[in-house]
Amino acid sequence: AQKITQTQPGMFVQEKEAVTLDCTYDTSDPSYGLFWYKQPSSGEMIFLIYQGSYDQQNATEGRYSLNFQKARKSANLVISASQLGDSAMYFCAMRVNTDKLIFGTGTRLQVFP
Amino acid sequence: DAGVIQSPRHEVTEMGQEVTLRCKPISGHNSLFWYRQTMMRGLELLIYFNNNVPIDDSGMPEDRFSAKMPNASFSTLKIQPSEPRDSAVYFCASNPWGGGFSNEQFFGPGTRLTVL
Repeated sequence: AQKITQTQPGMFVQEKEAVTLDCTYDTSDPSYGLFWYKQPSSGEMIFLIYQGSYDQQNATEGRYSLNFQKARKSANLVISASQLGDSAMYFCAMRVNTDKLIFGTGTRLQVFP
Repeated sequence: DAGVIQSPRHEVTEMGQEVTLRCKPISGHNSLFWYRQTMMRGLELLIYFNNNVPIDDSGMPEDRFSAKMPNASFSTLKIQPSEPRDSAVYFCASNPWGGGFSNEQFFGPGTRLTVL
């Protein structure tokens, strides 16, 4: 079965520090895409970063990077230099074969001064 | 460009009433998705369409829920009759179809439904 697992319901990080949000996935298909979305308290879903299963390099977008370890089936999100505005829910998602995304349960990140 | 548009943004209704949620995808996007988000169940895919055709409705909870996409720029999600357990935030999302795995799904702002 295809599944995304986010084992950290909540994380705390101090401003300006880096934080890693964990995501593991399960699929037997060799072709897939992995996504991270951010959901602030206002409720909207914001796309952050994408990694394809055949991408050789880890994806980066500004302060976001994706630590992709294919053999371990993990796609952890790293946020460098955390800011107060990074406080939000973060969702990992996977696309396999079809257009639909399979989402994890999310991790709530709190950034404190 | 306008993003995905959903209406209403908030809906409060009484049990037993019919509720219709509306969505306008981004122009040119051929895939449209309806999600439901609750604290208990997280983000669930209810149904999705490609080129106005329903492809997967396995997430639709029961017959009280129905979704239509009469044209490329409009979709509705209807609940009839509504029940308190339907209270949730309903998201509509769209993406281009056929561009491979990397197509980002763009989400609307959501409709917060409260059924009393």
